[in-house]
Amino acid sequence: GGIITQTPKFLIGQEGQKLTLKCQQNFNHDTMYWYRQDSGKGLRLIYYSITENDLQKGDLSEGYDASREKKSSFSLTVTSAQKNEMAVFLCASSRGDNQAPLFGEGTRLSVL
Amino acid sequence: QQKVQQSPESLTVSEGAMASLNCTFSDRSSDNFRWYRQHSGKGLEVLVSIFSDGEKEEGSFTAHLNRASLHVFLHIREPQPSDSALYLCAVASSGSWQLIFGSGTQLTVMP
Repeated sequence: GGIITQTPKFLIGQEGQKLTLKCQQNFNHDTMYWYRQDSGKGLRLIYYSITENDLQKGDLSEGYDASREKKSSFSLTVTSAQKNEMAVFLCASSRGDNQAPLFGEGTRLSVL
Repeated sequence: QQKVQQSPESLTVSEGAMASLNCTFSDRSSDNFRWYRQHSGKGLEVLVSIFSDGEKEEGSFTAHLNRASLHVFLHIREPQPSDSALYLCAVASSGSWQLIFGSGTQLTVMP
Protein backbone atom coordinates (compact mmCIF):
# COMPACT_ATOMS: atom_id res chain seq x y z
CA GLY A 1 0.00 0.00 0.00
CA GLY A 2 0.96 3.59 -0.54
CA ILE A 3 1.36 6.46 1.85
CA ILE A 4 1.25 10.24 1.88
CA THR A 5 3.96 11.71 4.10
CA GLN A 6 3.78 15.29 5.30
CA THR A 7 6.70 17.04 6.96
CA PRO A 8 7.02 18.47 9.46
CA LYS A 9 4.15 17.20 11.62
CA PHE A 10 4.32 20.33 13.78
CA LEU A 11 5.61 23.74 12.73
CA ILE A 12 6.05 26.76 14.96
CA GLY A 13 6.85 30.01 13.23
CA GLN A 14 7.31 33.69 13.92
CA GLU A 15 5.14 36.47 12.54
CA GLY A 16 6.30 37.46 9.06
CA GLN A 17 8.38 34.32 8.58
CA LYS A 18 8.34 32.35 5.34
CA LEU A 19 7.48 28.70 6.08
CA THR A 20 7.61 25.66 3.80
CA LEU A 21 5.55 22.50 4.17
CA LYS A 22 6.37 19.34 2.22
CA CYS A 23 4.30 16.43 0.94
CA GLN A 24 5.41 13.17 -0.67
CA GLN A 25 3.20 10.37 -2.08
CA ASN A 26 4.17 6.96 -3.44
CA PHE A 27 0.82 6.07 -5.04
CA ASN A 28 2.08 7.38 -8.42
CA HIS A 29 -0.95 9.69 -8.42
CA ASP A 30 -1.13 12.48 -10.99
CA THR A 31 -3.14 14.99 -8.94
CA MET A 32 -2.07 16.53 -5.63
CA TYR A 33 -3.83 19.04 -3.37
CA TRP A 34 -3.15 21.33 -0.42
CA TYR A 35 -6.04 22.09 1.93
CA ARG A 36 -6.22 24.24 5.05
CA GLN A 37 -8.40 23.13 7.99
CA ASP A 38 -9.40 25.63 10.69
CA SER A 39 -11.21 24.68 13.85
CA GLY A 40 -14.96 24.64 13.27
CA LYS A 41 -14.62 25.06 9.50
CA GLY A 42 -14.41 22.65 6.62
CA LEU A 43 -11.34 22.12 4.51
CA ARG A 44 -10.54 24.90 2.05
CA LEU A 45 -8.49 24.33 -1.08
CA ILE A 46 -5.29 26.37 -1.36
CA TYR A 47 -3.59 24.92 -4.45
CA TYR A 48 -3.80 21.83 -6.58
CA SER A 49 -1.72 20.31 -9.36
CA ILE A 50 -3.01 17.87 -11.98
CA THR A 51 0.43 16.85 -13.21
CA GLU A 52 4.13 17.56 -12.65
CA ASN A 53 4.94 21.28 -13.06
CA ASP A 54 1.24 22.21 -13.16
CA LEU A 55 -0.22 24.61 -10.56
CA GLN A 56 -3.84 25.69 -10.10
CA LYS A 57 -5.12 28.16 -7.50
CA GLY A 58 -7.89 27.20 -5.13
CA ASP A 59 -10.18 29.59 -3.27
CA LEU A 60 -7.59 30.29 -0.54
CA SER A 61 -4.38 30.80 -2.55
CA GLU A 62 -3.62 34.36 -1.41
CA GLY A 63 -0.65 34.37 0.96
CA TYR A 64 0.64 31.02 -0.31
CA ASP A 65 2.93 29.69 -3.02
CA ALA A 66 3.18 26.09 -4.19
CA SER A 67 5.63 24.00 -6.18
CA ARG A 68 5.19 20.60 -7.86
CA GLU A 69 8.84 19.67 -8.23
CA LYS A 70 8.14 16.14 -9.41
CA LYS A 71 5.18 13.79 -9.66
CA SER A 72 5.63 12.47 -6.15
CA SER A 73 6.12 15.74 -4.28
CA PHE A 74 4.15 18.93 -3.73
CA SER A 75 5.37 21.78 -1.49
CA LEU A 76 3.45 24.66 0.03
CA THR A 77 5.00 27.93 1.22
CA VAL A 78 3.34 30.35 3.63
CA THR A 79 4.83 33.58 2.29
CA SER A 80 4.40 35.61 5.52
CA ALA A 81 3.06 33.89 8.62
CA GLN A 82 0.30 35.79 10.44
CA LYS A 83 0.54 36.33 14.21
CA ASN A 84 -1.61 33.90 16.29
CA GLU A 85 -2.41 31.87 13.19
CA MET A 86 -3.26 28.25 13.98
CA ALA A 87 -4.35 25.74 11.38
CA VAL A 88 -3.81 22.25 10.04
CA PHE A 89 -2.55 21.91 6.47
CA LEU A 90 -3.58 18.70 4.74
CA CYS A 91 -2.03 17.29 1.59
CA ALA A 92 -3.96 14.87 -0.61
CA SER A 93 -3.45 12.98 -3.87
CA SER A 94 -5.63 11.13 -6.38
CA ARG A 95 -5.41 9.35 -9.74
CA GLY A 96 -7.78 11.83 -11.35
CA ASP A 97 -10.92 13.81 -10.80
CA ASN A 98 -13.18 10.82 -10.24
CA GLN A 99 -11.13 9.17 -7.52
CA ALA A 100 -11.56 10.20 -3.90
CA PRO A 101 -8.44 12.11 -2.82
CA LEU A 102 -6.41 10.28 -0.17
CA PHE A 103 -5.04 12.42 2.65
CA GLY A 104 -1.89 12.70 4.72
CA GLU A 105 -2.02 13.27 8.47
CA GLY A 106 -1.36 16.97 8.27
CA THR A 107 1.07 19.65 9.41
CA ARG A 108 -0.08 21.63 12.44
CA LEU A 109 1.02 25.25 12.23
CA SER A 110 1.24 27.69 15.15
CA VAL A 111 2.53 31.23 14.73
CA LEU A 112 3.81 33.12 17.78
CA GLN B 1 -20.21 29.23 -5.79
CA GLN B 2 -20.96 25.82 -4.28
CA LYS B 3 -22.01 25.86 -0.62
CA VAL B 4 -21.96 22.73 1.49
CA GLN B 5 -23.55 22.62 4.94
CA GLN B 6 -23.71 19.78 7.43
CA SER B 7 -26.07 19.11 10.30
CA PRO B 8 -26.10 18.55 13.15
CA GLU B 9 -22.79 20.10 14.27
CA SER B 10 -22.52 17.41 16.92
CA LEU B 11 -24.33 14.15 17.55
CA THR B 12 -24.20 11.69 20.42
CA VAL B 13 -25.61 8.18 20.03
CA SER B 14 -25.48 4.98 22.02
CA GLU B 15 -23.42 2.06 20.79
CA GLY B 16 -25.46 0.06 18.27
CA ALA B 17 -28.03 2.79 17.55
CA MET B 18 -28.18 4.04 13.96
CA ALA B 19 -26.51 7.42 13.37
CA SER B 20 -27.76 9.68 10.57
CA LEU B 21 -25.84 12.69 9.29
CA ASN B 22 -27.10 15.28 6.84
CA CYS B 23 -25.31 17.28 4.14
CA THR B 24 -26.92 19.88 1.88
CA PHE B 25 -25.33 21.41 -1.22
CA SER B 26 -26.29 24.28 -3.48
CA ASP B 27 -25.22 23.29 -7.02
CA ARG B 28 -27.64 20.84 -8.68
CA SER B 29 -25.05 20.02 -11.36
CA SER B 30 -22.87 18.39 -8.69
CA ASP B 31 -22.10 14.78 -9.53
CA ASN B 32 -19.35 13.74 -7.13
CA PHE B 33 -20.08 13.22 -3.43
CA ARG B 34 -17.76 11.86 -0.77
CA TRP B 35 -18.05 11.16 2.93
CA TYR B 36 -14.83 11.23 4.94
CA ARG B 37 -14.04 10.56 8.58
CA GLN B 38 -11.29 12.22 10.65
CA HIS B 39 -10.18 10.88 14.01
CA SER B 40 -8.63 13.45 16.29
CA GLY B 41 -5.13 14.43 15.14
CA LYS B 42 -5.29 12.26 12.04
CA GLY B 43 -5.83 12.70 8.31
CA LEU B 44 -9.08 12.03 6.44
CA GLU B 45 -10.29 8.51 5.68
CA VAL B 46 -12.71 8.11 2.75
CA LEU B 47 -15.82 6.15 3.75
CA VAL B 48 -18.09 6.13 0.71
CA SER B 49 -18.37 7.89 -2.66
CA ILE B 50 -21.62 8.29 -4.60
CA PHE B 51 -22.20 9.69 -8.08
CA SER B 52 -25.91 9.16 -8.83
CA ASP B 53 -29.21 9.35 -6.98
CA GLY B 54 -29.98 6.43 -4.69
CA GLU B 55 -27.94 4.53 -2.14
CA LYS B 56 -24.36 3.27 -1.95
CA GLU B 57 -23.24 0.97 0.84
CA GLU B 58 -19.66 0.40 2.04
CA GLY B 59 -19.53 -1.83 5.10
CA SER B 60 -21.53 -0.20 7.90
CA PHE B 61 -21.74 3.13 6.01
CA THR B 62 -24.58 3.96 3.58
CA ALA B 63 -24.74 7.16 1.57
CA HIS B 64 -28.11 8.29 0.23
CA LEU B 65 -28.20 10.96 -2.50
CA ASN B 66 -31.23 12.96 -3.58
CA ARG B 67 -30.10 15.67 -5.99
CA ALA B 68 -33.60 17.09 -6.44
CA SER B 69 -33.72 18.01 -2.75
CA LEU B 70 -29.98 18.89 -2.66
CA HIS B 71 -29.27 16.39 0.11
CA VAL B 72 -26.80 13.61 0.69
CA PHE B 73 -27.10 11.59 3.89
CA LEU B 74 -24.74 9.24 5.68
CA HIS B 75 -26.20 6.44 7.81
CA ILE B 76 -23.95 4.50 10.14
CA ARG B 77 -25.27 1.11 11.10
CA GLU B 78 -24.48 -0.20 14.64
CA PRO B 79 -21.79 2.39 15.43
CA GLN B 80 -19.06 1.54 17.91
CA PRO B 81 -17.14 3.91 20.23
CA SER B 82 -14.25 3.67 17.75
CA ASP B 83 -16.50 5.40 15.20
CA SER B 84 -16.38 8.58 17.28
CA ALA B 85 -14.83 11.14 14.94
CA LEU B 86 -15.46 14.20 12.79
CA TYR B 87 -17.49 13.28 9.69
CA LEU B 88 -17.01 15.47 6.62
CA CYS B 89 -19.11 15.72 3.48
CA ALA B 90 -17.40 16.83 0.25
CA VAL B 91 -19.04 17.77 -3.06
CA ALA B 92 -17.68 18.53 -6.55
CA SER B 93 -19.52 20.05 -9.47
CA SER B 94 -19.48 18.32 -12.84
CA GLY B 95 -16.05 18.69 -14.51
CA SER B 96 -14.48 20.39 -11.48
CA TRP B 97 -11.33 19.20 -9.71
CA GLN B 98 -12.29 21.10 -6.59
CA LEU B 99 -14.00 19.27 -3.73
CA ILE B 100 -15.93 21.65 -1.48
CA PHE B 101 -16.13 20.47 2.13
CA GLY B 102 -18.74 21.04 4.79
CA SER B 103 -17.61 21.97 8.30
CA GLY B 104 -18.39 18.52 9.66
CA THR B 105 -20.46 16.66 12.24
CA GLN B 106 -18.67 15.59 15.41
CA LEU B 107 -20.03 12.13 16.26
CA THR B 108 -19.67 10.61 19.72
CA VAL B 109 -20.67 6.99 20.28
CA MET B 110 -21.27 6.15 23.92
CA PRO B 111 -20.56 2.59 25.16
